[in-house]
Amino acid sequence: DTEVTQTPKHLVMGMTNKKSLKCEQHMGHRAMYWYKQKAKKPPELMFVYSYEKLSINESVPSRFSPECPNSSLLNLHLHALQPEDSALYLCASSWLATDTQYFGPGTRLTVL
Amino acid sequence: GIQVEQSPPDLILQEGANSTLRCNFSDSVNNLQWFHQNPWGQLINLFYIPSGTKQNGRLSATTVATERYSLLYISSSQTTDSGVYFCAVELMDSNYQLIWGAGTKLIIKP
Repeated sequence: DTEVTQTPKHLVMGMTNKKSLKCEQHMGHRAMYWYKQKAKKPPELMFVYSYEKLSINESVPSRFSPECPNSSLLNLHLHALQPEDSALYLCASSWLATDTQYFGPGTRLTVL
Repeated sequence: GIQVEQSPPDLILQEGANSTLRCNFSDSVNNLQWFHQNPWGQLINLFYIPSGTKQNGRLSATTVATERYSLLYISSSQTTDSGVYFCAVELMDSNYQLIWGAGTKLIIKP
């Protein structure tokens, strides 16, 4: 099973809302990632959890906060987002942090 | 920082044609991965290829690390091959971050 699942598929939220994106993998991978992808651009790494340690892209604003409840789950909590945060949010996992990355189908987020 | 350049940026082909996509990188890397993103946004890993040649069905890839480039070959193209092809490299001492090229957008016409 090489599947990474993400929920929801689509999300529309206002700038004052709080919401969460969820990602799950059952491949026993030890590294999980959140990426943001704008139209016609490559994915940009936001966060990496590897061996239960969080690494952050320093340019990611604090209105995004990751949470890793266990080695199979990765959440992304959203609060007070801006319209420019509208994008496709992709979750990925890999056995080790330097291995092949497997991506979920993504969540299309629209911030009004 | 490292530059990852993909060419061509766009490619339109008839079904059945062959194609070669190129990825140049400006520094030594730990690994290189090729991905296909379909029109619905799903990213699929095609190859993990820090060096050498690998084949998977109609697709093959070659990385020449000493000359800092990688090639992705697609033979007998099908309409389902349409989408964007990205290469991504991991630098040595990069804290696991992949550096992505801008992608090659491939359209296969029936």
